[in-house]
Amino acid sequence: GIQVEQSPPDLILQEGANSTLRCNFSDSVNNLQWFHQNPWGQLINLFYIPSGTKQNGRLSATTVATERYSLLYISSSQTTDSGVYFCAVYNSGGGADGLTFGKGTHLIIQP
Amino acid sequence: DAGVIQSPRHEVTEMGQEVTLRCKPISGHDYLFWYRQTMMRGLELLIYFNNNVPIDDSGMPEDRFSAKMPNASFSTLKIQPSEPRDSAVYFCASSPRDSWRNGGYTFGSGTRLTVV
Repeated sequence: GIQVEQSPPDLILQEGANSTLRCNFSDSVNNLQWFHQNPWGQLINLFYIPSGTKQNGRLSATTVATERYSLLYISSSQTTDSGVYFCAVYNSGGGADGLTFGKGTHLIIQP
Repeated sequence: DAGVIQSPRHEVTEMGQEVTLRCKPISGHDYLFWYRQTMMRGLELLIYFNNNVPIDDSGMPEDRFSAKMPNASFSTLKIQPSEPRDSAVYFCASSPRDSWRNGGYTFGSGTRLTVV
């Protein structure tokens, strides 16, 4: 099945810093999503971005489908941005159905 | 809309006992997914339903696990007998029609299961 790798696995930043999270995937995808799992465990859908660039406030995401990677940018980080960020993909070409998740980037924003 | 509702939020049980996790999807959503999250394996799809029919259960780890969706507003995931290695957070998610392929997932808050 499709492989999803995220980097870095852990990231500690001061409030106000910017960050870039990366997601690499092993095959072409029909769907790529970014999720945020907050410290209470809730999974929040951030972006649906199989290609191109989207922005939502301080967050933006870019997927370069031809090169099989996606980036999540967080600007002017706040402590509420802490948590785990997951990239998840869907490939209609085979393998397990449903979304395949990466292992996540654990982000800690310190005040 | 109350979102996807899972119960219980936490469950602690003894090895060998039967455990039943419950999920109420968002009204009108045709797809329902069960995921399991562990430190070692991350988030894994266990099974999903379309219009109450199980479509793909290839992720169900073994026969001790079973899932049902008797109607559009309720699903259960049962583990019998439970084992310590089943300890994990179990998530339910739902999606309208086929939009899960296009970003339409909504997750519940999860059930944290501990088997001692």
